Order: sequence, then structure tokens, then C-alpha cells
Amino acid sequence: AQTVTQSQPEMSVQEAETVTLSCTYDTSESDYYLFWYKQPPSRQMILVIRQEAYKQQNATENRFSVNFQKAAKSFSLKISDSQLGDAAMYFCAYRSARSYSGAGSYQLTFGKGTKLSVIP
Amino acid sequence: SAVISQKPSRDICQRGTSLTIQCQVDSQVTMMFWYRQQPGQSLTLIATANQGSEATYESGFVIDKFPISRPNLTFSTLTVSNMSPEDSSIYLCSVERGLDRAYGYTFGSGTRLTVV
Repeated sequence: AQTVTQSQPEMSVQEAETVTLSCTYDTSESDYYLFWYKQPPSRQMILVIRQEAYKQQNATENRFSVNFQKAAKSFSLKISDSQLGDAAMYFCAYRSARSYSGAGSYQLTFGKGTKLSVIP
Repeated sequence: SAVISQKPSRDICQRGTSLTIQCQVDSQVTMMFWYRQQPGQSLTLIATANQGSEATYESGFVIDKFPISRPNLTFSTLTVSNMSPEDSSIYLCSVERGLDRAYGYTFGSGTRLTVV
């Protein structure tokens, strides 16, 4: 079974600065997808960025980018020019790329989350 | 990507009662997923709901406690039965964002359940 580990329960960053959130995962599969989700106090889970394991190029979405190290099974999220609206829980998630093979095949496996605070 | 309407957004319930949570999707989807998020915790998959067949439950979750209906390709309900304070959580439904599984998932806005 896959596991996802976020070793930083809480992080803080000054507004306009850059912060990196860590994520490592364990899997025996070679093809999979990785995601970062943001959950503000409103509870809505918002997809921030995604990465396909077969792609070597790191994904970027505006101020958000990832550092994907497949061999090290690491998938960190970098937030540049942090804004007050970035304050939220951030979850790293893993999904297998394999075809359906029973219960849980399509599920997202989440890390425990990192609470990000942005200091004005 | 799909838009999900989930309700109720929150509820406070007496122990021993049941609550049914509804999710309506604005497009047809094959599978819908139900997650539980206990206080201060991450999300755990409860079950996968396919239209026209029984839901598939994950380890630790049973149909008698969390019956699921999936009457069509745009709608699903999750019932939390015979509730106890340990059921106090956020419950979220989710669907795939598109035909390509690499696109990830869209989530409903969640139902915050408090059992007293």
C-alpha cells in the first residue's frame, strides 16, 4: 500500500516571501500521479497543482511549483510571493495510474497535511 | 471540470440518529467517492459509489453504518447511521475532474457533522 508523509505539521511564511512544503511517499509502482490540495477554513478542497510521474519536468502553476524527485520519492511544493489567501491546510496526495483492480484503486492517498500561516 | 453541490453544509445531531448527506454533480460521472476527515486529520476514503451497483467499502467501513445510494450518474447520498460522538467529522464527496485520471479530483464543499 502506498503511504504519503508530510513531516511539517505547521509552517509559517512572511507575506511576499517563499515557502516550501515537504512531501515524501512510498510506492512500488512506477506510474502514478501526485497532487497538492489546499483546504482553507471553508473546508473546500482545492487542487493546487498536479504531477504525472512519467514526466521529468516539474509542474508549475503561477506562483506554485513543485520539485519532483522520483528516485527519492519526494514531491515538495514551493509557494512564491506568498499571499494572505494562501493560508490553509495543504495536503499532498498520491493516486495510482493502474487500471481498476478492485476497492480503492482510484482513491487518493493523502498525507496528514501541513498548516500554512502567512504573516502580514 | 465537474462542479459538486453538497448538502447540508453542517449539522448537529443527537446520538443514535441518522443523517443523510447529498451530492449533486453538474455532469455525468461513473464513480463518486466519499471521504471522512476527522478533526485535525487527513482524508480517509469511506467508499466508492458506482451507478447501478453496490458501493465498494474500504477497510474499517461497513454498509450498515454508512449506506450509500447512487440512483443515477449525477447524484449520490451517504447516510451516517446510529451516530455516536466518534462520527463527528467532515464528510466530503468527490469525483474525477475529467476523463484523464491525471487531472485529479473535484471535491464537494463538505458536511461538518457534530454528534452530541
